[in-house]
Amino acid sequence: EAGVVQSPRYKIIEKKQPVAFWCNPISGHNTLYWYRQNLGQGPELLIRYENEEAVDDSQLPKDRFSAERLKGVDSTLKIQPAELGDSAVYLCASSLGLASYEQYFGPGTRLTVT
Amino acid sequence: DAKTTQPPSMDCAEGRAANLPCNHSTISGNEYVYWYRQIHSQGPQYIIHGLKNNETNEMASLIITEDRKSSTLILPHATLRDTAVYYCIVKETSGSRLTFGEGTQLTVNP
Repeated sequence: EAGVVQSPRYKIIEKKQPVAFWCNPISGHNTLYWYRQNLGQGPELLIRYENEEAVDDSQLPKDRFSAERLKGVDSTLKIQPAELGDSAVYLCASSLGLASYEQYFGPGTRLTVT
Repeated sequence: DAKTTQPPSMDCAEGRAANLPCNHSTISGNEYVYWYRQIHSQGPQYIIHGLKNNETNEMASLIITEDRKSSTLILPHATLRDTAVYYCIVKETSGSRLTFGEGTQLTVNP
């Protein structure tokens, strides 16, 4: 069974440019998470979806970040405009449901903003 | 969720047991202890979790003290592929958020 798929794996952009990350969760997983991981730190949650609904987006910087999960499957995370401080690894994870003890993570997208 | 404290780094010889400690003195009764690890350039990977009893699976063993204020993850026969950052996380099973700290960088040496 395929794991969580993310693309692209690497992205380099200039500041003020837009960027988007795509995630395809494990089939049948209702819960989808986006995390951001800064260098030398653990991942921090940006947003969580239950099917199509964003149920925890308290840590998402809403002035420049947006996310969507159409049809409750794939998800896209967007930054517009990007800032130098957005350089990080963006991780997508999925789980069967909120009560599931295991989250499955993708390999992440490494974003560099110059 | 309760906060955890882990040493920033540890070393272990290949083939020996790796014992990774974690303090979670403010853990509440309905919070579980979870362990994840992150190999370089990969996403985190679930290892094991427990409430108050010791747990074992094919990857590791989890020993939780009787007062539940600390725990130890044991990799019985560490290999070079076990080199990774290991995260100890405390959360309710029904809680959504995995709150990662900085973890312990385990280096397994040949």
